[in-house]
Amino acid sequence: EAEVAQSPRYKITEKSQAVAFWCDPISGHATLYWYRQILGQGPELLVQFQDESVVDDSQLPKDRFSAERLKGVDSTLKIQPAELGDSAMYLCASSSITGGPFLSETQYFGPGTRLLVL
Amino acid sequence: GENVEQHPSTLSVQEGDSAVIKCTYSDSASNYFPWYKQELGKRPQLIIDIRSNVGEKKDQRIAVTLNKTAKHFSLHITETQPEDSAVYFCAASTNYGQNFVFGPGTRLSVLP
Repeated sequence: EAEVAQSPRYKITEKSQAVAFWCDPISGHATLYWYRQILGQGPELLVQFQDESVVDDSQLPKDRFSAERLKGVDSTLKIQPAELGDSAMYLCASSSITGGPFLSETQYFGPGTRLLVL
Repeated sequence: GENVEQHPSTLSVQEGDSAVIKCTYSDSASNYFPWYKQELGKRPQLIIDIRSNVGEKKDQRIAVTLNKTAKHFSLHITETQPEDSAVYFCAASTNYGQNFVFGPGTRLSVLP
């Protein structure tokens, strides 16, 4: 069964350093999401791509976070500079539109990258 | 924007009993409502979802009900088993997965 891949699985960095996370969605999935999940809370959407275009980045802290999906396949999320409050799990998910009278999407999540900022 | 609330935040039940988790949403344009299960240290996994043209959906021991008028939906787990212990998240979104918002989660413990 195809799965969403993410790397690295764990990352420890010092504040003010730059970090980058990579996500490879399920083949053929046009929609890709990046979430941040703080321990004990639900995932918070950071950015959503449809193919290579950003659909929603309203919750992305653009002063330090950036995301790209240049060829509409894999994606990179970057933080520069990292701050202590960025310590969290960063989850990537992908989806494809399912049929029916209402077009809606089932998301499949990757294993996540756990970030610790010291 | 959309706001999703979820109750209770923690729930303990005896094995074999039923568990019910409730969510409310604010955006009347939301029409897709999935439920995810997340075990400790693992990724969220979809367990059931419902669309706004359906009032109820069932899959073995799991069912979801939706009341669009009241803007709330619920997850029902019957005959609970210890392996049902996990954090459950509800979510809501509009067409094409827009405005996807998760609830804060419910930690379910099934006691043997």
